Amino acid sequence: EDQVTQSPEALRLQEGESSSLNCSYTVSGLRGLFWYRQDPGKGPEFLFTLYSAGEEKEKERLKATLTKKESFLHITAPKPEDSATYLCAVTSGSARQLTFGSGTQLTVLP
Amino acid sequence: DTAVSQTPKYLVTQMGNDKSIKCEQNLGHDTMYWYKQDSKKFLKIMFSYNNKELIINETVPNRFSPKSPDKAHLNLHINSLELGDSAVYFCASRGDGGGTGELFFGEGSRLTVL
Repeated sequence: EDQVTQSPEALRLQEGESSSLNCSYTVSGLRGLFWYRQDPGKGPEFLFTLYSAGEEKEKERLKATLTKKESFLHITAPKPEDSATYLCAVTSGSARQLTFGSGTQLTVLP
Repeated sequence: DTAVSQTPKYLVTQMGNDKSIKCEQNLGHDTMYWYKQDSKKFLKIMFSYNNKELIINETVPNRFSPKSPDKAHLNLHINSLELGDSAVYFCASRGDGGGTGELFFGEGSRLTVL
């Protein structure tokens, strides 16, 4: 069974203080790793797809990277509007539907 | 225009009652899903339909019955509600051109069973 573990559970940063969120996964044949952003009271919003180790994707202040065991979401010089829960999910050869982690709740203080 | 819309946004009901949640997507996608998000924020897939046909049915009590009248709509009916059914239910859709995990989610329907 696919497993996804995210850390930390919660992270508080000052505006401009860069940091990284971690997503560790155990799957049988990774097909894809996905990052989503979820604001309170809203549904998850797709951010990135990563398919193979070494791949990187960027969007504004966010950069996602992938290794054979984990993915990082790097946040550079965050702003308060980056505050949200960031969810990681995987699909694999044995389970084509998404398996989600429990998320990291990011708070960026002005 | 909301891409994936769910109604109602909130439901509060007593144990034993029956309730329905409706979902509509205007993206022209062929695949739609129901996910359940528990209090610990884990999102778990319940059902998936492709062009009105059920393709994924996870281990969900048969009190939960999805219905897809056409490929733009996927409704969820829940019979004999239990306390443990309290959660946020999300509808989502995916186009054939998107990767397996690139889903568009609705805003969720928060169900509280008293």
